[in-house]
Amino acid sequence: AQSVTQLGSHVSVSEGALVLLRCNYSSSVPPYLFWYVQYPNQGLQLLLKYTSAATLVKGINGFEAEFKKSETSFHLTKPSAHMSDAAEYFCAVTGGNKLTFGTGTQLKVEL
Amino acid sequence: GAVVSQHPSWVICKSGTSVKIECRSLDFQATTMFWYRQFPKQSLMLMATSNEGSKATYEQGVEKDKFLINHASLTLSTLTVTSAHPEDSSFYICSAREAGLTYNEQFFGPGTRLTVL
Repeated sequence: AQSVTQLGSHVSVSEGALVLLRCNYSSSVPPYLFWYVQYPNQGLQLLLKYTSAATLVKGINGFEAEFKKSETSFHLTKPSAHMSDAAEYFCAVTGGNKLTFGTGTQLKVEL
Repeated sequence: GAVVSQHPSWVICKSGTSVKIECRSLDFQATTMFWYRQFPKQSLMLMATSNEGSKATYEQGVEKDKFLINHASLTLSTLTVTSAHPEDSSFYICSAREAGLTYNEQFFGPGTRLTVL
């Protein structure tokens, strides 16, 4: 069985500041991990994925995430936030046929 | 590549009517499609998994007679909400998994907003 915990349902940062969205996972098998972004009234867009290759994964829009097995974490970061980054972010894990999503983190970017 | 479409993007219907939502993989073959439901400010809840040519597998608590899923081809799955009621109002999202991928990456449609009056 797999599960995902996203710490912080709401995160607020200033434009230009570091973005850090936390994700911890639990999996009984080697996991594949994903970060998705969702804008209002839209579907999910894949930001990046970890599929057991490099532990530091670079994605679209300047986002990256590091897989840390010892910490069972897959935190999402971006060095400098932009207003267009304001959205809902979901971490997800799969070890089989299904994706298990976290509860999501709403990112707010302030001027 | 890997584009998934949904139709309609939004629908309003009267209580007691049935509504069909289509999910299409536009540029790849999807052996497996998934249907999710999302309530406001919440995460996605998996409703069912459908494999082309076979019956869908429903998650616990999802009424299979109310949410009919058909996956008749490698590019099309449909979700029919039968005898819809206001509590069925929600955002429905489908996803598709491309044949041959080993790590269950799913490509998501843009969602369908269902409002039942």
